[in-house]
Amino acid sequence: QVTLRESGPALVKPTQTLTLTCTFSGFSLSTSGMCVSWIRQPPGKALEWLALIDWDDDKYYSTSLKTRLTISKDTSKNQVVLTMTNMDPVDTATYYCARVQTGGHAFDYWGQGTLVTVSS
Amino acid sequence: QSVLTQPPSVSAAPGQKVTISCSGSSSNIGNNYVSWYQQLPGTAPKLLIYENNKRPSGIPDRFSGSKSGTSATLGITGLQTGDEADYYCGTWDSSLRGVFGGGTKLTVL
Repeated sequence: QVTLRESGPALVKPTQTLTLTCTFSGFSLSTSGMCVSWIRQPPGKALEWLALIDWDDDKYYSTSLKTRLTISKDTSKNQVVLTMTNMDPVDTATYYCARVQTGGHAFDYWGQGTLVTVSS
Repeated sequence: QSVLTQPPSVSAAPGQKVTISCSGSSSNIGNNYVSWYQQLPGTAPKLLIYENNKRPSGIPDRFSGSKSGTSATLGITGLQTGDEADYYCGTWDSSLRGVFGGGTKLTVL
């Protein structure tokens, strides 16, 4: 059974760095073809893809946010971490992590999401 | 503004059929698989369709997907009130970055 769960602060101040952790089970990120991605959704708005890390430690970032994002993995802990620097109120959103298999080319399992509010 | 274009809303009566379009370009839909997601109110998105027209286990055959050129379509037949949700299309660009549509709100009248 595949599960993912996001964790991190619910509230951050402007200019601070956000660190989110995705803890997953039911698959291994050392298995060929496995990837984990981060997606966010501001309240009442559409999904926005942020970043992806694959089994080979290749990393891909949103063009508009790449200077602020870092994605990393700890295979032994079944965790993927996303950091976003210089947070702003417009970054207020629910942040999701999701599994991607290169075979299916889709986000097949999602975490429940974690709401992050940026406010002083 | 989302990379892929979807209609903001669609509606139909229970039992009827509805289609949701998703328009992109040669750098995304034109050269990559399309997937579709259903997001019920207050919940995380759920995969409905992958690789343009395949359904994951447990997704009823009332849901279908197709792709032609730089556009894709989600079809839902036998509409039920429980289908009321936001629907998103997604794919990848030529640099392996994910892209989504702006979402379509389905109302079952």
